[in-house]
Amino acid sequence: GAVVSQHPSWVICKSGTSVKIECRSLDFQATTMFWYRQFPKQSLMLMATSNEGSKATYEQGVEKDKFLINHASLTLSTLTVTSAHPEDSSFYICSAMPRDEQFFGPGTRLTVL
Amino acid sequence: AQSVSQHNHHVILSEAASLELGCNYSYGGTVNLFWYVQYPGQHLQLLLKYFSGDPLVKGIKGFEAEFIKSKFSFNLRKPSVQWSDTAEYFCAVNDGANAGKSTFGDGTTLTVKP
Repeated sequence: GAVVSQHPSWVICKSGTSVKIECRSLDFQATTMFWYRQFPKQSLMLMATSNEGSKATYEQGVEKDKFLINHASLTLSTLTVTSAHPEDSSFYICSAMPRDEQFFGPGTRLTVL
Repeated sequence: AQSVSQHNHHVILSEAASLELGCNYSYGGTVNLFWYVQYPGQHLQLLLKYFSGDPLVKGIKGFEAEFIKSKFSFNLRKPSVQWSDTAEYFCAVNDGANAGKSTFGDGTTLTVKP
């Protein structure tokens, strides 16, 4: 199967700082990637669709200026949480679809102090 | 809008017991249905999927699911669970046109006692 990686796997930051999370497709090219957020004991919520070479598409209620997405190449999408606050603490997961199956990254645990 | 409901939040079984996890969705059009598993400390993995055809779908590790269109259901089953099946299970649906934009249920935590 296809492999999606994320970096870092966990990060702790101070309130007000920005944090960048990388999502890479290791053995395939992905023109589209997806960013999800998972709260403890809850489901995955789709945040945005990352499109290579164009702007990301955000789901309703997701602040695009807060969660900056850049899809600079066919194997890399980045999510930057700007001016992070404790309520942004969560598990962020990316995914990509080389075919008709969605492959997920291992997730990044963000803790904002 | 789509929604997915998983009725069982936490299921505890003994090894060799049979498993059925409920999943209902609300969406009137054509749907693609999925079950994912998340083992402790690991990422989401696809167990099985339904796009069309035979409504009884077989997946990996002995899991199967049945799509019942009239009931808007896609329940997951396994005849005999193992301790290693302890994990979080998520049902998901998308409309096919936006294949990556899946709506997930809240998940069911399965604990299998040895």
